[in-house]
Amino acid sequence: QKEVEQDPGPLSVPEGAIVSLNCTYSNSAFQYFMWYRQYSRKGPELLMYTYSSGNKEDGRFTAQVDKSSKYISLFIRDSQPSDSATYLCAIHSGGYQKVTFGTGTKLQVIP
Amino acid sequence: DTAVSQTPKYLVTQMGNDKSIKCEQNLGHDTMYWYKQDSKKFLKIMFSYNNKELIINETVPNRFSPKSPDKAHLNLHINSLELGDSAVYFCASRGLAGDTQYFGPGTRLTVL
Repeated sequence: QKEVEQDPGPLSVPEGAIVSLNCTYSNSAFQYFMWYRQYSRKGPELLMYTYSSGNKEDGRFTAQVDKSSKYISLFIRDSQPSDSATYLCAIHSGGYQKVTFGTGTKLQVIP
Repeated sequence: DTAVSQTPKYLVTQMGNDKSIKCEQNLGHDTMYWYKQDSKKFLKIMFSYNNKELIINETVPNRFSPKSPDKAHLNLHINSLELGDSAVYFCASRGLAGDTQYFGPGTRLTVL
């Protein structure tokens, strides 16, 4: 079983839709949860960073962590064409342990 | 000012050659990484250095040798390049206070 599972998509939605991106993970030791956005031919950029369980909101983006289900989500409200990118979840158990990335979900927001 | 920079951006070379990729960060971070991203976008860690000391060494062929001359630089040297080495290589850095990583723009390596 992979440490992090993420549906690769692609996911196509109309502009203005609410987008839900998800990952599941297997190791309950993970404490830090991140979402990165990667535009084509660019490096990943950090979008959201959450420690332990709960929700975190930043503008149109909301990250949710459910440690009991080992499930993390990223919601994008009022999606825009500029949100079209690959979204990678990443998890980490702290300290100098490696960060493990999901395979990424490719999102296309259609005007 | 670019936080994490890599050179070159593109690298096209023949099988069997030796090449190097350089990375520099001006964030004052202590930890730096090399990742490989394949054609399916899977981002896999290769190495991590903390204050010039190797702390993560994933199962990577020993043709790949990282070198950290100081904590702001982490270079990657690859010997005897193979077709399967074609990928995008990303450098990243992470600070002490947080657990977020900042990525460079990537080096697209094509081995012919």
